[in-house]
Amino acid sequence: GENVEQHPSTLSVQEGDSAVIKCTYSDSASNYFPWYKQELGKGPQLIIDIRSNVGEKKDQRIAVTLNKTAKHFSLHITETQPEDSAVYFCAAEGSNSGYSTLTFGKGTMLLVSP
Amino acid sequence: NAGVTQTPKFQVLKTGQSMTLQCAQDMNHNSMYWYRQDPGMGLRLIYYSASEGTTDKGEVPNGYNVSRLNKREFSLRLESAAPSQTSVYFCASSVDRDYNEQFFGPGTRLTVL
Repeated sequence: GENVEQHPSTLSVQEGDSAVIKCTYSDSASNYFPWYKQELGKGPQLIIDIRSNVGEKKDQRIAVTLNKTAKHFSLHITETQPEDSAVYFCAAEGSNSGYSTLTFGKGTMLLVSP
Repeated sequence: NAGVTQTPKFQVLKTGQSMTLQCAQDMNHNSMYWYRQDPGMGLRLIYYSASEGTTDKGEVPNGYNVSRLNKREFSLRLESAAPSQTSVYFCASSVDRDYNEQFFGPGTRLTVL
């Protein structure tokens, strides 16, 4: 099955700096890669996703890049703000008995200091 | 729309007790999922239901059973709880198996003593 590795496990930045979180995946057939943000005490919420037919996608201060050859994808947050502090999860679509399911990385705790 | 709702929010059980976690969605989604979240382990899929009337095992199904009661509701049952099942449980739903954006509920924090 699919295996997703995520780094770093924790990331501390100053407000206004950029933050980058990286993930690798194992299943070359995967073609959907979402990123979720989880605030304390809440469920994960989708913030951006990318499909394998594009290499980059941007939404205001958030961007995701995908390198299918190397099987890795990254989340980039620019001009970080304290409200960006949360746990971020990457995921990759894998196959489970013929159905597509998501396999998640172990998460990155991002702390943005004012 | 309430989205995905879960009950209860918190639960404490003794080893060997049973309980059912409830999940409902009002987005007319076909697919529903149960995950557990443990510190440093991310989210791991327990069971999923690709459509009403079907259920399948995920990565960590042992010790759990599920029921897709109807299109809206998907319950998770622990028949004989063990301390290893102490975790936060999340239910999620998506339009269908081919459109993978998943919407998550707020979670149930379960402690087994």
